[in-house]
Amino acid sequence: AQSVTQLDSQVPVFEEAPVELRCNYSSSVSVYLFWYVQYPNQGLQLLLKYLSGSTLVKGINGFEAEFNKSQTSFHLRKPSVHISDTAEYFCAVSFSGGYNKLIFGAGTRLAVHP
Amino acid sequence: NAGVTQTPKFQVLKTGQSMTLQCAQDMNHNSMYWYRQDPGMGLRLIYYSASEGTTDKGEVPNGYNVSRLNKREFSLRLESAAPSQTSVYFCASSEPRDRVVGTEAFFGQGTRLTVV
Repeated sequence: AQSVTQLDSQVPVFEEAPVELRCNYSSSVSVYLFWYVQYPNQGLQLLLKYLSGSTLVKGINGFEAEFNKSQTSFHLRKPSVHISDTAEYFCAVSFSGGYNKLIFGAGTRLAVHP
Repeated sequence: NAGVTQTPKFQVLKTGQSMTLQCAQDMNHNSMYWYRQDPGMGLRLIYYSASEGTTDKGEVPNGYNVSRLNKREFSLRLESAAPSQTSVYFCASSEPRDRVVGTEAFFGQGTRLTVV
């Protein structure tokens, strides 16, 4: 069975500092990896996704993530965060044969402080 | 461009009452999903519909039923609401068939349900 672990439930960071949100997954089949962002009282919005090819994936709002197959990780990074990046971030996987069902991690709440 | 529309946005129910959450998408997607979001647990799949006419259980289906009314609409019904069903419910849809994998899911704005 597939599963996703987000290693930090909360990450506080100062504005303009770099940030990394960690995600590990477990699967016996090939997976497709996603990061979604949820702003307060909103739905989920796709930040980026990895399907195949280059392991470094760039997304919206200056975020990027690196797929590491040997470590089964897909960590999200941003070199300099803004106050507006304060939100909850979800890592998710889907897999071939799974009808694009997404399996989510528990989420990481990013709090950017001035 | 509405995307995925959910109604209602908020609802308070008494234990034992029933209600139906509505979801419609205008992107011609085949697959639709219902998730619930609880603090510290991420989003968990309740039911999904891979295509019109089919529905399948997800991770947490107990206490829920679904209907794929047509290609656009996918409703979630609580027959006898319980306090444990207090949650935020999200509907999502995704691009065509399972052969096209790895496509993103588009989410509605959510329904905040409280059962007292």
